[in-house]
Amino acid sequence: EAQVTQNPRYLITVTGKKLTVTCSQNMNHEYMSWYRQDPGLGLRQIYYSMNVEVTDKGDVPEGYKVSRKEKRNFPLILESPSPNQTSLYFCASHRLAGTSYNEQFFGPGTRLTVL
Amino acid sequence: RKEVEQDPGPFNVPEGATVAFNCTYSNSASQSFFWYRQDCRKEPKLLMSVYSSGNEDGRFTAQLNRASQYISLLIRDSKLSDSATYLCVVNLPIKAGNMLTFGGGTRLMVKP
Repeated sequence: EAQVTQNPRYLITVTGKKLTVTCSQNMNHEYMSWYRQDPGLGLRQIYYSMNVEVTDKGDVPEGYKVSRKEKRNFPLILESPSPNQTSLYFCASHRLAGTSYNEQFFGPGTRLTVL
Repeated sequence: RKEVEQDPGPFNVPEGATVAFNCTYSNSASQSFFWYRQDCRKEPKLLMSVYSSGNEDGRFTAQLNRASQYISLLIRDSKLSDSATYLCVVNLPIKAGNMLTFGGGTRLMVKP
């Protein structure tokens, strides 16, 4: 089954404790993204990657890091989480086809609370 | 001004009603347009792409007006199961990576 998986699904942590949210897709997609979703602000892109070892900042990258060492994996790293990073996080992937967009597939989401 | 704007709603409609959502976008160079559906606390899922000529999928019709820079979604014969948030999505060619930008979503509640 084609899917994007994220782990953990729920996480409560404390300020300053480094954490990693994993994301994996089995569709051989080149393009992967991380979004956060907050009430009233919609989905905002944090980082994206157009292929292995190619990553770039989205709209709200501060406080986050990513890596793309393998095509299928795109972990999101919070080196020193703060309460304003409490949010619902989605990983997404899609195939790159020139300048055209194809359907984005989203993971099930990770609900993060930073105390 | 937001790059993609939607009326947040909620739209409360009875079963069987026809409801329409609009979405405006600011970048005239945008070329890819989509409607996604998001159920409460779940991930967004593609409902339909929006093509220049307009397109229909069952009870759902999407239209694009490039001159006025808006996209619409029409739902006919609303079902209880249509209750969800509908996200308008547009690409932004001027941004690195041809980023997709999401509207804030329009919430639809279909009542019996």
